[in-house]
This record gives sequence, C-alpha cells and structure tokens, in this order.
Amino acid sequence: AQTVTQSQPEMSVQEAETVTLSCTYDTSESDYYLFWYKQPPSRQMILVIRQEAYKQQNATENRFSVNFQKAAKSFSLKISDSQLGDAAMYFCAYIEGNTGKLIFGQGTTLQVKP
Amino acid sequence: DGGITQSPKYLFRKEGQNVTLSCEQNLNHDAMYWYRQDPGQGLRLIYYSQIVNDFQKGDIAEGYSVSREKKESFPLTVTSAQKNPTAFYLCASSLWGPSGELFFGEGSRLTVL
Repeated sequence: AQTVTQSQPEMSVQEAETVTLSCTYDTSESDYYLFWYKQPPSRQMILVIRQEAYKQQNATENRFSVNFQKAAKSFSLKISDSQLGDAAMYFCAYIEGNTGKLIFGQGTTLQVKP
Repeated sequence: DGGITQSPKYLFRKEGQNVTLSCEQNLNHDAMYWYRQDPGQGLRLIYYSQIVNDFQKGDIAEGYSVSREKKESFPLTVTSAQKNPTAFYLCASSLWGPSGELFFGEGSRLTVL
C-alpha cells in the first residue's frame, strides 16, 4: 500500500528566511502525482503545489518550489522569503492512479517568527 | 462563486445519536470525498464516490454511511456505531482522474457530549 511520511512534526523559520519541509513516500506505481497542501488556522485546505512524476523538472509556484527525487521517493517543499502568512500545517499527499484517492502524510506545523 | 459548502460548521451530539453532515459542490466535479482529521494527525479517508449512485469505503469507514443521489451532494452520516466520532470532518471534490486537484470545503467540527 502507498504511504506518505512527514518526519518533521514541527518546524520554525525566521521571516524572510528559507525553510524546507521533508516528505517521503512509498509506491510501486511508475506514474503518479504528488501534492503539497497548506492548512492555515482557518482549517481550509489550500493546494500549494503539484508535481507530476513523469516530469523531471521540479515544480515551482512563486516562492514555493519542490525538490522531487523520484528514485529516492522524496518530495520536499522549499519556501523562500518566508512570510507570516505562511504559518500553517503543511501536508504532503500522493494520489493513487487507479482509484484517485489522495493519501496524506501526518503533516508539519510551520511557525514563522517575525 | 463555485466551491464546496459544508454544513453545519459546528455540531454537538449526544452519545447514541446519528448525525448527518452536509456537503454540496457546484464545481461540476465527478468525484467527492470525506476525510476525518484528528489533532496532530493527517487526513484519513472515510468514503469516496466517483459517480452518482456509487461510492467506496475508505480506510476508516466503520460507523459511517454515505449516499450519492445527486452529483452535487455527498452527505455523511455519523452513526451511533462510530466509537470515537469527535473530530474535524472535511469534504472534498475533484474531476475524476489521477491528476485531479482536490478542492476542500471549510470543514465541520463534530463534538460528542
């Protein structure tokens, strides 16, 4: 069964600095999608970034980028120029190709210090 | 505006009572999902539906039931058989397929007294 692991329950970063959140996953599929979702205190889940496994180029969305290492099954999220509004819980997720089910990691709570 | 609406936002229930959480979407999405979130944990899938009149159990379906009579609606009933129902419940929808981004509602907080 596919699993997603986030080994950092909590992280903190100084405003304007860069932080990297880690995620590893396990799958036997060759083609799949990976996601990072953000859940702020309002608890509304928001998609941050998406990576297609067959694309070698790492996805980028403004200050958010990923380091996708397919062979290592690693999918980390880098947040550059951290802002106070980035403070939230971040979830790494993997989508099963044959069912469309999204499988989530345990989450990492990010604190941004002014 | 298009989106997903969950209601109620907060709900209190006495032990032994069934309760139904509403989820409505106007995004014309095929697939809908119910997730449960407990403090300090990730989201766990309860049920999902790919098309109208069809749904599948997720990882923690025991004590829950759903229906999908309309494309727009996917209500979740938390039955008295659910041993620990106090949690935050999130509904989501997506276009069907492995690349489909999930769009989430704002969630419903259920507390059993």
